[in-house]
Amino acid sequence: DQQVKQNSPSLSVQEGRISILNCDYTNSMFDYFLWYKKYPAEGPTFLISISSIKDKNEDGRFTVFLNKSAKHLSLHIVPSQPGDSAVYFCAASAGRDDKIIFGKGTRLHILP
Amino acid sequence: NAGVTQTPKFQVLKTGQSMTLQCAQDMNHNSMYWYRQDPGMGLRLIYYSASEGTTDKGEVPNGYNVSRLNKREFSLRLESAAPSQTSVYFCASHWTGTYGYTFGSGTRLTVV
Repeated sequence: DQQVKQNSPSLSVQEGRISILNCDYTNSMFDYFLWYKKYPAEGPTFLISISSIKDKNEDGRFTVFLNKSAKHLSLHIVPSQPGDSAVYFCAASAGRDDKIIFGKGTRLHILP
Repeated sequence: NAGVTQTPKFQVLKTGQSMTLQCAQDMNHNSMYWYRQDPGMGLRLIYYSASEGTTDKGEVPNGYNVSRLNKREFSLRLESAAPSQTSVYFCASHWTGTYGYTFGSGTRLTVV
């Protein structure tokens, strides 16, 4: 049973527009959420995170929103750039020393 | 500072052959992990080691063994490779008490 779900395998967005990647989770014990970015032939790299005590975290062009009641989080990228084309993994953890559970990923294509 | 180093980067095996994937980290992290990434399946945890001397099964441990050789090194062994083990394997490490993993660049394994 998937605890972290990314229901969109792929997403195409025009350069300069907003990219919104969505993620749902089922485990109410999760208290920390992360987004990882992965380019081909490279390992995933940490992008941005949010604690369950917050509903928004911003880092430059990247903002993560958390809706605990809906068990939903989203990653907004504004404006989208060609270098943002990658696979994005949503991930969650139930504690600092607990394992991180990853979603299946969403492939983002930024169109020129 | 190399981070997490995986060797080899590529490997082709025949069914039934054995091999060991190597992983080393130089960040003095306590915990280490092995994941596999398959198309449409995201990152699935094979085994992990919360500290030197301990190992535990993850989501998909069958057909694999691991060794936490010391604090720096965590190896993954395939005793009798099968085509279903064709995948990209990622090693990751983590400092206890913090969130987020650091990943290696991966080993692409093909079993024919």
